[in-house]
Amino acid sequence: GAVVSQHPSWVICKSGTSVKIECRSLDFQATTMFWYRQFPKQSLMLMATSNEGSKATYEQGVEKDKFLINHASLTLSTLTVTSAHPEDSSFYICSAQSTSGSSYNEQFFGPGTRLTVL
Amino acid sequence: QKEVEQNSGPLSVPEGAIASLNCTYSDRGSQSFFWYRQYSGKSPELIMSIYSNGDKEDGRFTAQLNKASQYVSLLIRDSQPSDSATYLCAVNPNDMRFGAGTRLTVKP
Repeated sequence: GAVVSQHPSWVICKSGTSVKIECRSLDFQATTMFWYRQFPKQSLMLMATSNEGSKATYEQGVEKDKFLINHASLTLSTLTVTSAHPEDSSFYICSAQSTSGSSYNEQFFGPGTRLTVL
Repeated sequence: QKEVEQNSGPLSVPEGAIASLNCTYSDRGSQSFFWYRQYSGKSPELIMSIYSNGDKEDGRFTAQLNKASQYVSLLIRDSQPSDSATYLCAVNPNDMRFGAGTRLTVKP
């Protein structure tokens, strides 16, 4: 159990375009999902916390108008990188937090989306 | 002071040895503690969770928690080359905070 999927797994786009990344919890409901970014050989950086039915909470330094997060259901959160630029190229990883059962409070990660902006 | 601190490594151990990974945290109210393993180019996967003081064993992995010292560790017995990865410590007072990770290399 506790499977999280992400789509797409990789994307290449031109500078100035927008890219949407989906994160789904497949076998559990997640009221809270998280979005991380990771540059090569660096640690995970939390970008924002996404709560179902409410506005996301962004970490300091993360532009909320550039990284749009929508958590419309208990199993789906989306991250849209608007007007992407080469410096946005990174590995984007979502996670979903379990709120029940033996996995209470554990976070399960999606496989990640590698974004390359040309 | 960072909320969750780990030695960045790299930590190198020979195959078959015990690898010891350490983590300290700053929030005394933390209740949940986790170890994740991340292979290069992949997302983290949960290895162990621990919630109370003492040791918790799962196969070759043992997590140790000492809340008084604000310290959590992960021991890997009989280390294998396939254990070579970055190990992330995570602590949850109200939301999850990750350490920077320790890179482990197990040499054949």
